[in-house]
Amino acid sequence: DGGITQSPKYLFRKEGQNVTLSCEQNLNHDAMYWYRQDPGQGLRLIYYSQIVNDFQKGDIAEGYSVSREKKESFPLTVTSAQKNPTAFYLCASSLDPGTNSPLHFGNGTRLTVT
Amino acid sequence: SQKIEQNSEALNIQEGKTATLTCNYTNYSPAYLQWYRQDPGRGPVFLLLIRENEKEKRKERLKVTFDTTLKQSLFHITASQPADSATYLCALDNYGQNFVFGPGTRLSVLP
Repeated sequence: DGGITQSPKYLFRKEGQNVTLSCEQNLNHDAMYWYRQDPGQGLRLIYYSQIVNDFQKGDIAEGYSVSREKKESFPLTVTSAQKNPTAFYLCASSLDPGTNSPLHFGNGTRLTVT
Repeated sequence: SQKIEQNSEALNIQEGKTATLTCNYTNYSPAYLQWYRQDPGRGPVFLLLIRENEKEKRKERLKVTFDTTLKQSLFHITASQPADSATYLCALDNYGQNFVFGPGTRLSVLP
């Protein structure tokens, strides 16, 4: 079955530690995205990548970093510089880097930093 | 400033009735608009896409309209069922680069 796999589902970290969230897709999609979701707010774009070895900042990139070394993988690192990292993180992909293709989402990673 | 609003945070309707959800936007000129369903603790699932030159799109019990003059999309679920209870998100094309999402409306269909 094709899809997007995010792991782990729940992640706990101490303040000051960097943490990397995994996102893998086997849909052969070119574009991949990271969104953050907080209660009562829409999804906010952190980073997106339209092609391997290239990525762009979204609206809230500060304190986050990404890499896109392989088409299938788009890991997100939440650094200690991110002031409020506790949130639900969603990874998505789309066939076409433009906006006429639907987004396919993983089931998210809930990160709690204490 | 740019803004996307969805009519209410929560909407309760009786089973069998038509649910109507609203997505309003300002300072965007989307070429596409999409609707997604999200269940608790899960990622959103794509439902429908409508283009700026399309007035209406249907899929089974779902209907979406897109009025670029009013800067509004309406999402209808006819003959609603308790299984339709979820949060529904609209997403606007952001100048062809990515999508921006509204805050969502939590729909509860009461038996």
